[in-house]
Formats: sequence, structure tokens, C-alpha cells
Amino acid sequence: NAGVMQNPRHLVRRRGQEARLRCSPMKGHSHVYWYRQLPEEGLKFMVYLQKENIIDESGMPKERFSAEFPKEGPSILRIQQVVRGDSAAYFCASSQYRDRAREQYFGPGTRLTVT
Amino acid sequence: DQQVKQNSPSLSVQEGRISILNCDYTNSMFDYFLWYKKYPAEGPTFLISISSIKDKNEDGRFTVFLNKSAKHLSLHIVPSQPGDSAVYFCAATPTQGGSEKLVFGKGTKLTVNP
Repeated sequence: NAGVMQNPRHLVRRRGQEARLRCSPMKGHSHVYWYRQLPEEGLKFMVYLQKENIIDESGMPKERFSAEFPKEGPSILRIQQVVRGDSAAYFCASSQYRDRAREQYFGPGTRLTVT
Repeated sequence: DQQVKQNSPSLSVQEGRISILNCDYTNSMFDYFLWYKKYPAEGPTFLISISSIKDKNEDGRFTVFLNKSAKHLSLHIVPSQPGDSAVYFCAATPTQGGSEKLVFGKGTKLTVNP
């Protein structure tokens, strides 16, 4: 299966710890989007990356959150000093071409629980 | 400020009947609309889309209608099947002027009863 892969699928962190979420895009895709889904909400855009570049981070909280997509390896969404409000499902999606959000494919998500 | 609204959190229909899911948007810059289906513990999967140059797009049992003047779209599923039971998200994006990013509604949970 050459779909978008995310790991871990479930992550439990205590308040104040760091969370690292990984996303491997589909083969041949060099663009990654991250979304967050809070309980009873829709998915909300966080950040759009191309390899080694952040294209649009307008949806990222200003503090504690960062994302990268290195030349080699998966994209990483990093949340420092997690708080209970960070508990959510985090989805990544990948696309082959720049600015083609309409053609993105989603991964299964990482469910983060902050205790 | 919610730019994409799905005002019905849930919908229940009988197998074989039509399911109609509705979606409203407020941003006039949106010109491309998508519907995603999502099962629990899985990511959204693309179902059908429509560009603003059209008012209807059909794919098998799924048809999406777009009313630009009303800023309203709907997804029709005919006939509905129990396997269609899932959460359906409407999403929209502008395709002009730079970075595309999807704006999602909150979803409608569809239950198709056998």
C-alpha cells in the first residue's frame, strides 16, 4: 500500500511533554499538508510544506508548534510542552503538485491524548 | 468565523432511499468544492468534487449540486446503502491567487438503516 502513512496512530503524552507526529507522503508526492481535528469539529488547516520549505503556516498556533519536511525522511509536526487542549486527531495529506490541495490524499491520522 | 457550514450534525435514512447532505459557504473566493467521507479511526477519503463553472457533477450513486448564487451545495446519494454510513465533510478552496488550502465544514454523520 503506497498511501500516506502516519505514525504513531495513537500517542499519549503528559502535560508539558513533547509530541512528535510523523507523516510519510505517497510515493512521488513532495507536498504535505497538516490538519487538526478537535472533537466534534471539522478538520482545520495548520501548515503546508514542500520538501525543505514551509509554503503556508497561516493555520499554525504561534507558539509550541512547528513543522518540517526535510529532503530525506518524513514530515514532522512537533508540539512542545503539550497542554490538554492539544488533544485531537492530526491528519496529514500529500499531493504531487504545488498548490493542488484539491488533489490531496489523507493519511489515517494520529490521535494525540494529553493527560 | 465558519466559512463552510454543515448545519445538520446527523442524518438517518432507510436503505434504498435518497440521502441529501447540505453545505453552505460564505467566502466568494471559493471556486472548488469537495466532499469527503470519513469512517471512525480513518482519514478522510475523497468522494466527489465540483468546480464553480459547473452546477452538477455525477459519479455513480453520488451527485453534487452547486448553487453559486445561494452559496449552497448538496450531495445526493441514491440509493443509499448501509456501507454509506459515515461522517461526510464538505470542503472548499479558492483555486486562484496562490496557496490552495481546504476549508472544511464540521461534518454530517449519515446513518443508513437496513
